Amino acid sequence: GAVVSQHPSRVICKSGTSVKIECRSLDFQATTMFWYRQFPKKSLMLMATSNEGSKATYEQGVEKDKFLINHASLTLSTLTVTSAHPEDSSFYICSVIEGQSNQPQHFGDGTRLSIL
Amino acid sequence: AQSVSQHNHHVILSEAASLELGCNYSYGGTVNLFWYVQYPGQHLQLLLKYFSGDPLVKGIKGFEAEFIKSKFSFNLRKPSVQWSDTAEYFCAVSSYNQGGKLIFGQGTELSVKP
Repeated sequence: GAVVSQHPSRVICKSGTSVKIECRSLDFQATTMFWYRQFPKKSLMLMATSNEGSKATYEQGVEKDKFLINHASLTLSTLTVTSAHPEDSSFYICSVIEGQSNQPQHFGDGTRLSIL
Repeated sequence: AQSVSQHNHHVILSEAASLELGCNYSYGGTVNLFWYVQYPGQHLQLLLKYFSGDPLVKGIKGFEAEFIKSKFSFNLRKPSVQWSDTAEYFCAVSSYNQGGKLIFGQGTELSVKP
């Protein structure tokens, strides 16, 4: 069964809206979750590392004020795209690591975000 | 900086043909290597991984990959593909001191004709 639940699966909204995406670890507690962005026909790009109880670590070039990450519990991380614009339209995917950091990641089904 | 390169953007094969997808990475330290598969409309799934030991690793669904350290390569192989192998394949690398962060290759789209 699914290890990671990501919600919603698809969002269509107007420019200027803020959108929250949830990522839940269903089978185990996760101190670390990751957020990726996938453009059409392109690879996954790591946006940030979400750390339970502390600030997220953002990759170079990713605006932390634009993409707010909150990892308030060991099973939930949220990504909020603030004041979204059409260029933010993309496929956002979260992943969870079980146990030590060198273990394989489990991925969510992704969220298709479309900004009109 | 770390990077991962997958040589083939789109591969088209007939059923029963053999498959080899190339993956090269750039990083001088100890790495963990992964191949993930994304079937149409589904989430990424782990095919196989290499951490240490035997450089020839076997994964699910008859896939295998060989780590050649001198070539910084981790090519994916399958002796005989099936139509159900049609999917996007991603090679990924993480290094020991990066807290599990994955760097992905560009992905290879595999289309298997029945």
